[in-house]
Order: sequence, then C-alpha cells, then structure tokens
Amino acid sequence: AQSVTQLGSHVSVSEGALVLLRCNYSSSVPPYLFWYVQYPNQGLQLLLKYTSAATLVKGINGFEAEFKKSETSFHLTKPSAHMSDAAEYFCAVSGANNLFFGTGTRLTVIP
Amino acid sequence: DARVTQTPRHKVTEMGQEVTMRCQPILGHNTVFWYRQTMMQGLELLAYFRNRAPLDDSGMPKDRFSAEMPDATLATLKIQPSEPRDSAVYFCASADQTGPLSYEQYFGPGTRLTVT
Repeated sequence: AQSVTQLGSHVSVSEGALVLLRCNYSSSVPPYLFWYVQYPNQGLQLLLKYTSAATLVKGINGFEAEFKKSETSFHLTKPSAHMSDAAEYFCAVSGANNLFFGTGTRLTVIP
Repeated sequence: DARVTQTPRHKVTEMGQEVTMRCQPILGHNTVFWYRQTMMQGLELLAYFRNRAPLDDSGMPKDRFSAEMPDATLATLKIQPSEPRDSAVYFCASADQTGPLSYEQYFGPGTRLTVT
C-alpha cells in the first residue's frame, strides 16, 4: 500500500533561512512523488513532481526536492525563505489511479 | 489559462437541507476527483471518475452523499440531508489520463460548506 508521512505539522523559519520540509513515502512499486502548496483559501497547486527521471527535481518559486530511494524520502527544500512562502505544503505518492496525500506541513516565515 | 472551476465558493445551509456542489474540470481532462478537507481529518479522497464512470467512491458516506458526472464538463457532489459534521472545504481536481497514466492533478478553489 502507498502512503506518505510528513514529519512536522508546523515548521517555522526566519526570512532568508533554509526551508526543509520532510516527506517519507511507502510504496510497493516505483513511485511518482509530488509536492503541492496550498495558500490560504485556495486549492492545492503543484510545486514539483518526480517521475523516475532525474532524482533532483526543481519546481516553481525556487523549491526543489531530491528523491532518495535508499531513505524512501522526498524532502522539499528552498535555500532562502521568503514571506510569500508561508503556506501549507503537501507531499503525495502515486497509487493505482490516484494520489495519496500526507497530512500537510504548515510553514510560517518569521520576518 | 485552463483552470478547474467550482461553484458555489461558499455555502451556508441549515441541517437537513440538500446541498449541491458543482465542478467544471479542465477541458480535455477525463478524470475528476472529489476531496474533503477539514482541520481534524486533513485531505480525504471521497470519489473519482474516469470518462464519467465512477472508479472509486469508497471514501464517501453512501447514505447521504452522491457524486455524478452528467457530462464531460460537469461533475456534481450532492449531500442530502446535510449535517453539521459535513462542514468542510470540498475540492474538485481533474487530471488528463487519456494516454499514459498521469497522476498530476489540478485543483479547483474549493467550496466552503457550513452546515448549521
């Protein structure tokens, strides 16, 4: 069965600091992995995706994530946080026909 | 640019009333998902359709919820009768799964439902 675990329901960083949001997955088949972002009162928006090509994936807004099979991880990073990055972030793993989402990590950026 | 649209954006209703939420998927997308988001449960998959046929509705309370796709441009989620515990944000998402399976889903802005 497929599932993802997001470590830390809340993460706070200072503006300009490194952002690291953790995601570990479980999958019985080679997975496709996704990060989505949700801003207040909006739907989820795709940040980036891993589809078995390059293990380091670059997304929008300066975010990137690295697929590490040995660690079953797909952590999301950004070198320098901006106030506009404050949002909720969801990791997701592919299932038979759909996606399995994690419980989300709320990112707060402190000025 | 192409977007998933949902109506209404907000709905306040009294317990026992019928609620219908509508979704227009991105033109050409053949798979539609319905999700419910609450603080307590997070994001839950309720049901999804491909080519207008239901593939899985195991996440949906069967006694009061129903989902349909009358045509390729409209998906509906109905609650009858509504209860306060149905208060949540309901999202529709669509995906293009006409060729090799694509898992990339595009979400609408959601319908915020409050049942009093």
